[in-house]
Amino acid sequence: DAGVIQSPRHEVTEMGQEVTLRCKPISGHNSLFWYRQTMMRGLELLIYFNNNVPIDDSGMPEDRFSAKMPNASFSTLKIQPSEPRDSAVYFCASSEFSSRNEQYFGPGTRLTVT
Amino acid sequence: AQKVTQAQTEISVVEKEDVTLDCVYETRDTTYYLFWYKQPPSGELVFLIRRNSFDEQNEISGRYSWNFQKSTSSFNFTITASQVVDSAVYFCALSEAGDDKIIFGKGTRLHILP
Repeated sequence: DAGVIQSPRHEVTEMGQEVTLRCKPISGHNSLFWYRQTMMRGLELLIYFNNNVPIDDSGMPEDRFSAKMPNASFSTLKIQPSEPRDSAVYFCASSEFSSRNEQYFGPGTRLTVT
Repeated sequence: AQKVTQAQTEISVVEKEDVTLDCVYETRDTTYYLFWYKQPPSGELVFLIRRNSFDEQNEISGRYSWNFQKSTSSFNFTITASQVVDSAVYFCALSEAGDDKIIFGKGTRLHILP
């Protein structure tokens, strides 16, 4: 069974450009999570979905960030316009619906905004 | 509010030594779940273990063992006879029942020296 798939693995873009990160969760998992990891702030939860519905987006830094989950097998995290401080590794994770179940992480997307 | 503290930022040990990674958590819930994840240099986060708050039995998996003590709100992780491949950042995490979010500690970077 394939794990969580993220694309692209690396993204380098210029400040002001739009960036779209993609995630395919593990088939059958009901919950999907977007995290951001930086040296300064560690691993931060940005937003999560249950059954394709956004439940908690309190971790989204500002209006420049948006996330969608149009169906059970696909989610996007968009940054528009991007800024250098958005440079980080962005992880997507999925789990079976319930806090007692472990989350499985994708390989991450390393974003560099110059 | 829930919180996870990993006081050890970085640890270095010589190969074959035993090493314990500390994790202290805070929660007001009586039902909660504790996790450990490993992040090797390649960057992906790998699930290691989940414990629920009603099961204080220690767990052993090969060279890995976990000591859960509710009296001290700790969930420590010990690697016996460490190997260079154990070098990674290890995260302890907590999730409360009814909340799908997992709160991660800041991580402990473990260096196993040959």
